[in-house]
Amino acid sequence: AQSVAQPEDQVNVAEGNPLTVKCTYSVSGNPYLFWYVQYPNRGLQFLLKYITGDNLVKGSYGFEAEFNKSQTSFHLKKPSALVSDSALYFCAVREESDSNYQLIWGAGTKLIIKP
Amino acid sequence: DSGVTQTPKHLITATGQRVTLRCSPRSGDLSVYWYQQSLDQGLQFLIQYYNGEERAKGNILERFSAQQFPDLHSELNLSSLELGDSALYFCASSVSGGVTGELFFGEGSRLTVL
Repeated sequence: AQSVAQPEDQVNVAEGNPLTVKCTYSVSGNPYLFWYVQYPNRGLQFLLKYITGDNLVKGSYGFEAEFNKSQTSFHLKKPSALVSDSALYFCAVREESDSNYQLIWGAGTKLIIKP
Repeated sequence: DSGVTQTPKHLITATGQRVTLRCSPRSGDLSVYWYQQSLDQGLQFLIQYYNGEERAKGNILERFSAQQFPDLHSELNLSSLELGDSALYFCASSVSGGVTGELFFGEGSRLTVL
């Protein structure tokens, strides 16, 4: 069965420091991987995705994510955190061969950036 | 602005009542998804429609139902409401049936059941 794990409920980072939000997945075939962000009192917004190709994917707001097939991970990163990056981050996966194209969502990680 | 419109933004009602949440997808998007987000942050997929037809069903209770109309807007009906149904209900849309994985979410409808 497909699954996504975000092992940290909350990540605290000082402004200006690099940040990492972790995501691991389990699918039987090739994964399509996604990150979404939810700012307070807002809906989710698409950040970036990995379908194929370069393992390092760049997305919105200076975020990037690295696909690691051997570790079945897709961690979200940013070199220098901003207070405005404070939000809830969701990782999602779907299997390439899934004809229903259904996304499986992680539980979310709350990112808090302190000034 | 994602282009997905949800109404109402806030709704307070009593146990046992019935409510209807409405969603207008982005122009041109054929797929509509409904999600429930509880206070502990979890995002639960409820149901998906594609061009008027039910495409996939998630953890949707029998007390809940949805439909997508010919103009592609969708409604989520919640009946015999319980305290535990208090949550944020999100609608999302996509151009295709979700091939790209990029969903566009509305701002949500916050339901409070007293």
